[in-house]
Amino acid sequence: EAGVVQSPRYKIIEKKQPVAFWCNPISGHNTLYWYRQNLGQGPELLIRYENEEAVDDSQLPKDRFSAERLKGVDSTLKIQPAELGDSAVYLCASSLNVAVGTDTQYFGPGTRLTVL
Amino acid sequence: QKEVEQDPGPLSVPEGAIVSLNCTYSNSAFQYFMWYRQYSRKGPELLMYTYSSGNKEDGRFTAQVDKSSKYISLFIRDSQPSDSATYLCAISEDYKLSFGAGTTVTVRA
Repeated sequence: EAGVVQSPRYKIIEKKQPVAFWCNPISGHNTLYWYRQNLGQGPELLIRYENEEAVDDSQLPKDRFSAERLKGVDSTLKIQPAELGDSAVYLCASSLNVAVGTDTQYFGPGTRLTVL
Repeated sequence: QKEVEQDPGPLSVPEGAIVSLNCTYSNSAFQYFMWYRQYSRKGPELLMYTYSSGNKEDGRFTAQVDKSSKYISLFIRDSQPSDSATYLCAISEDYKLSFGAGTTVTVRA
């Protein structure tokens, strides 16, 4: 079974430029998460989708970040404009059934963003 | 105060040693306690989870939770070079995972 796929794996941009990350979750997983992991820190949740609905975006900086999950499968996370402090690894995860307390989240390899 | 505090590393141990990793948490309502392993340039992968207080063993790995002191631990016995990775504790409340900062472990051959 294929895991969570993310692209690109690496991205280097200059500040004020836009950037987009793409995620394809595990087939059949209805719940999708975007996390940001700063260097030396654990992942922090940005947004969670159940199917195509963003059910928790409380930690998403909405002035510059946006996300979408059209058709409830693939998802895109966008930053516009990027700032130096956005340099981090952006992780996508998916899970089968969020109603279960021990529902396992499967992570993709992440996109490492460097903003110059 | 962060919800989950993890003992900082890094740790470097010889092959065959016991590795001990620890975290504390602040919210007594947390029910599920997890350990993730993250290899360099990879996403985290679930290693073990436990529910409430007690021990759980899986091969060379033992996860321990003490809810009275809000303390969780992971022990790796007979450590191998392939165990070299960053280990992240995580606490689950509903769907939301709160992660520790991670401890990087290097097992020297």
